[in-house]
Order: sequence, then structure tokens, then C-alpha cells
Amino acid sequence: GAVVSQHPSRVICKSGTSVKIECRSLDFQATTMFWYRQFPKKSLMLMATSNEGSKATYEQGVEKDKFLINHASLTLSTLTVTSAHPEDSSFYICSARLPRGLNTEAFFGQGTRLTVV
Amino acid sequence: GEDVEQSLFLSVREGDSSVINCTYTDSSSTYLYWYKQEPGAGLQLLTYIFSNMDMKQDQRLTVLLNKKDKHLSLRIADTQTGDSAIYFCAFSGNTPLVFGKGTRLSVIA
Repeated sequence: GAVVSQHPSRVICKSGTSVKIECRSLDFQATTMFWYRQFPKKSLMLMATSNEGSKATYEQGVEKDKFLINHASLTLSTLTVTSAHPEDSSFYICSARLPRGLNTEAFFGQGTRLTVV
Repeated sequence: GEDVEQSLFLSVREGDSSVINCTYTDSSSTYLYWYKQEPGAGLQLLTYIFSNMDMKQDQRLTVLLNKKDKHLSLRIADTQTGDSAIYFCAFSGNTPLVFGKGTRLSVIA
């Protein structure tokens, strides 16, 4: 299947600093990528839809100034957690779909465990 | 929006079959997925089924879809300790995936 690579897999940062997470589609071009957040013992919650060359679409309740998403190329989307706080500690996962149309398989990155201390 | 329900826990003995169930509300989904998440890891796509199918078998995995009851199940035959993980059902139409809360499968040796 298609490969989506996410980096870093783990990151620890100090409160108030910013952290960037990268999501790359390695063997296909992804015009749309998705960012999810997973809370402990809970399901994945969609944060935003990242569109190549345009602004991301954020889900209700997600602060777009705090979670900056950039999708500058067809193979790379980045999520930057700005001015991180301990409550931002979570597991973040990106996803991309094959560009065969809207209704195609979705592939996930390995996830990034963010710990804010 | 889509509402997806899964039981949270399942415990089985090694060698037995595991059946993980999922119910959903939105009948417009075209792809229905099962993902596996091992501790500290991302999601691994196990299998998926098109909405026009009733069953799909892939080695030890069998997916059953009952569109009338909006019920999706994943059967794992000859469950092994390496199958211990959280299993998510997910649904997609022309929107991002909607996930169930996940079923934690514990396999007892």
C-alpha cells in the first residue's frame, strides 16, 4: 500500500515553545491530507483538512492560530503547535488519501507523541 | 454527522476467534475500514470493505457488513497474543474518516 511518513515519532518540548510535525506521502501525491488528534483512551478526532496550495479547513473547536497547518507541496503537510501548553500533550496522526478521487483508501502516518513539560 | 459505536473491551483466549463489532448511522459510506493500533504506534490498515459487499476474507480476517442493520464486524480467527491491540472501525464517504472509539482486544495465553 501507499506510504505516509510522519516525523518526529516522539517529541518533548518546554511549555511556550513551538513544535513542528511533518507528514509526507512517500510514493504518491496527496492533494489533501488530514490531521487527527488522539486523546488518551479515546478515538481519533479530526482537527483539520490540509489542502495543497490553499488554507486548511479546521474543525469546530480547533484553534487555527495555535495549530498552524501548511501544505506547501503535494507530498508534504506540516502541523505546528505554537506556544505549546501541557494540555496540548497528545498523539497526533496525519492521514492522506490516494488522489483517485474523494472516496479512496486512507493511509496513516506512524503518529507523533507530543509531550509538553 | 456520523455516529459510530464500538464496545470498548474484548478479552479472548489464544487460539479462539475474536469478533469485534461496530454500528454506524450514516448509510452513505462507501469504504468501511478496520484499523489496528498497537501501543504507542500509529494506525495500521488491516482491511476494508466496499459498501456493495457483504463479506470480505483476508487470511485470518473476515469482515461482515450488514447494511440493513448498519453493522460491521471483524472476525479474527486463531487469535494470537500479537493481535492484542486497539481496533478501530472507520467510515468514509466524501468526507474525512469517522472513527469509532476503538475496542481494546486482550489475548490471554
